[in-house]
Amino acid sequence: EAQVTQNPRYLITVTGKKLTVTCSQNMNHEYMSWYRQDPGLGLRQIYYSMNVEVTDKGDVPEGYKVSRKEKRNFPLILESPSPNQTSLYFCASNGGLVNEQFFGPGTRLTVL
Amino acid sequence: AQSVTQLDSQVPVFEEAPVELRCNYSSSVSVYLFWYVQYPNQGLQLLLKYLSGSTLVESINGFEAEFNKSQTSFHLRKPSVHISDTAEYFCAVSEWGSNYKLTFGKGTLLTVNP
Repeated sequence: EAQVTQNPRYLITVTGKKLTVTCSQNMNHEYMSWYRQDPGLGLRQIYYSMNVEVTDKGDVPEGYKVSRKEKRNFPLILESPSPNQTSLYFCASNGGLVNEQFFGPGTRLTVL
Repeated sequence: AQSVTQLDSQVPVFEEAPVELRCNYSSSVSVYLFWYVQYPNQGLQLLLKYLSGSTLVESINGFEAEFNKSQTSFHLRKPSVHISDTAEYFCAVSEWGSNYKLTFGKGTLLTVNP
């Protein structure tokens, strides 16, 4: 089954404790993105990747890092999480000329 | 830069009533347009998309949207809603040639009441 998976689905952590949210897709897509969803703000792009070792900032990159060492994986790293990063995070991928993105199930992160 | 405006943050309707969720976009180039749906406590699912050709596009569950280039709109409609249509709906735009960025509206919460 074609899908985007994320782990963990739920995470509660404390300020300053480094964490990684994993994302993996099995569709051989070149493009992958991370978004955060906040009430009343919709989804905003954090980072994106156009291929292995090619990443760039989206609209709200501050406080986040990403890496793309393999085509299928695109982890999101919060090196020193803060409460304002409490949010619902989505990973997405797309592989065609048309930017139809496939979304993962989401990761709900709470930073205390 | 592209942008999307969803004019209504919440739309309450009664079951079997018609509904329209409004979406306007801004872009200096040609665009692809999408509607995504998010059911309670779930991820985003593609509902329908406009890429080119016929300006009226339909989904399998009775929704339709019409691309209006002159009004830069992509409103979503359903002639008769069900309780199960209760969800948040997001309009999104992607510029031609951009495979990495979707710009979303802030969402419209559709609540269908019995």
